[in-house]
Amino acid sequence: GAGVSQSPRYKVAKRGQDVALRCDPISGHVSLFWYQQALGQGPEFLTYFQNEAQLDKSGLPSDRFFAERPEGSVSTLKIQRTQQEDSAVYLCASSLGYGGMNNEQFFGPGTRLTVL
Amino acid sequence: GNSVTQMEGPVTLSEEAFLTINCTYTATGYPSLFWYVQYPGEGLQLLLKATKADDKGSNKGFEATYRKETTSFHLEKGSVQVSDSAVYFCALYSGNTGKLIFGQGTTLQVKP
Repeated sequence: GAGVSQSPRYKVAKRGQDVALRCDPISGHVSLFWYQQALGQGPEFLTYFQNEAQLDKSGLPSDRFFAERPEGSVSTLKIQRTQQEDSAVYLCASSLGYGGMNNEQFFGPGTRLTVL
Repeated sequence: GNSVTQMEGPVTLSEEAFLTINCTYTATGYPSLFWYVQYPGEGLQLLLKATKADDKGSNKGFEATYRKETTSFHLEKGSVQVSDSAVYFCALYSGNTGKLIFGQGTTLQVKP
């Protein structure tokens, strides 16, 4: 069965460019999370969607980061005017239910972003 | 705020050795605790979890017990295999949305 997919798997951007990272969650999953994983570190929460509603964006590091999930399925994380410190692996995860402790999060393979 | 601290890696063991990876947490209340594993070239996978104090999570020979008195959730396995080589992350649920707070990860390398 299909898991969470992300594209592209690798992205190289020049400083100042805009990038868009795509996440296809497992079909029917209500909750969708984005995390940022710097080299040698654990993932850090960026934002959370319940269907199309963005209920928590407390982890977005600056107003250059923007995420959307307009139809409650596919999500896009956009980074404007990329900086070198944005270089990281961006992970997407989805879960069947509405947040909470009993809904396992299934992770995608990530998009590795390198900003030169 | 909530946080998770793991022992520094890398951890290098011989096959069939005993494994312990330490994890301690700081949190309000009693959050659910998790171990995730990331095999080379693959995404994060849930390894095991415990939802309340004194619960023991187990899977694939790995175990971890939720100890509220020591705020710990150490990962153990009695006999590691080469195929267990991976990065292991301890994590806890935070808040109503279920976002995960991760430790920095511990790399395990098992040699034949």
